[in-house]
Amino acid sequence: DGGITQSPKYLFRKEGQNVTLSCEQNLNHDAMYWYRQDPGQGLRLIYYSQIVNDFQKGDIAEGYSVSREKKESFPLTVTSAQKNPTAFYLCASSSTGTGNSPLHFGNGTRLTVT
Amino acid sequence: RKEVEQDPGPFNVPEGATVAFNCTYSNSASQSFFWYRQDCRKEPKLLMSVYSSGNEDGRFTAQLNRASQYISLLIRDSKLSDSATYLCVVNKDSGYSTLTFGKGTMLLVSP
Repeated sequence: DGGITQSPKYLFRKEGQNVTLSCEQNLNHDAMYWYRQDPGQGLRLIYYSQIVNDFQKGDIAEGYSVSREKKESFPLTVTSAQKNPTAFYLCASSSTGTGNSPLHFGNGTRLTVT
Repeated sequence: RKEVEQDPGPFNVPEGATVAFNCTYSNSASQSFFWYRQDCRKEPKLLMSVYSSGNEDGRFTAQLNRASQYISLLIRDSKLSDSATYLCVVNKDSGYSTLTFGKGTMLLVSP
């Protein structure tokens, strides 16, 4: 079955450590996205990539980094510079990056930093 | 005006009721509109796209009002399983752009 796989589902880290969240899709979608969701908040866009080897900052990119070396993969690194990293992280993909195609989400990673 | 605005609710309705949510958006150039459903602690899932002519999928009907810049979602014959948060999603601008999510409207359907 085609879909988006995020791993791990739960992740615990100590403050000051970088951590990388995995996102893989086999939908052959061009565009991939990372969102963050905090309790009672809407989804906020961290980074997105409309094509391999290219990505753009979203609304809250500070303290995060990404790479897009393969079409299927879009890992997100949460660095120690991110002031409030504890959140629910959602990866998504869409067939195009034009904003006209709906997003398909992975089942998310809950990151807790203490 | 916020980019995408929704009444957070919760909307408490009995099974079988009809309930409607509205969502307003700020950019008149927006072209693409979607409703997503999100269950507690789960990922959002696409419920339906919203077309200019409106569209219907079973018990769900979505409408777009460009003049007043809002979209609506109508749920008929509510089921317990409809309890969830409904997210309104709008593209930021015409052309090449990303999608903006509203904070969602919570629906609770009781027996």
